[in-house]
Amino acid sequence: GDSVTQMEGPVTLSEEAFLTINCTYTATGYPSLFWYVQYPGEGLQLLLKATKADDKGSNKGFEATYRKETTSFHLEKGSVQVSDSAVYFCALEATGGYQKVTFGTGTKLQVIP
Amino acid sequence: KAGVTQTPRYLIKTRGQQVTLSCSPISGHRSVSWYQQTPGQGLQFLFEYFSETQRNKGNFPGRFSGRQFSNSRSEMNVSTLELGDSALYLCASSLTGQGTEELFFGEGSRLTVL
Repeated sequence: GDSVTQMEGPVTLSEEAFLTINCTYTATGYPSLFWYVQYPGEGLQLLLKATKADDKGSNKGFEATYRKETTSFHLEKGSVQVSDSAVYFCALEATGGYQKVTFGTGTKLQVIP
Repeated sequence: KAGVTQTPRYLIKTRGQQVTLSCSPISGHRSVSWYQQTPGQGLQFLFEYFSETQRNKGNFPGRFSGRQFSNSRSEMNVSTLELGDSALYLCASSLTGQGTEELFFGEGSRLTVL
């Protein structure tokens, strides 16, 4: 079945450091890929998405590129801020999945001043 | 516009009881899906409803059930509660439930089973 593997946390970075959170997936066909973020005390919200190979999703300075050859969708940000502290979830939805989204286990990011 | 609303936010039950959780989607959204979030398993898909019909179901026992009403509001029910059912139950809505749509999540209902 479908699965998503992302790097375990917690990840602790200093403000303005470069961030990479690795994500790889297993799925049949051509799934859509997502990064969701969960800020403390809030529900999950979509950060960015990519729906086909070589697409780059971007939002709030975060980027991720859909790499079919390596089945990866790594999240990057050039300069993190304290306000980026949250749990980040990589996710996929197989074609025709009717919101049966498969999530990774989440990576907690803590940014210190 | 109002977001996804889940009630109750917190509840405590004992083993063997049953529980019903409610979800009101964003106005105009017709797809509602449910997820269970636990520290060990992460987020796991329970089921999805559209126009009062269940279109997709995850790998959960029959004790977990749901329904959707004509106004798109949804409920999920867990019968004969077990300790392992303690979790955060998240509801998400989207316009039609198609694969590329963004899911809008509620803040969840945290269930503790004693």
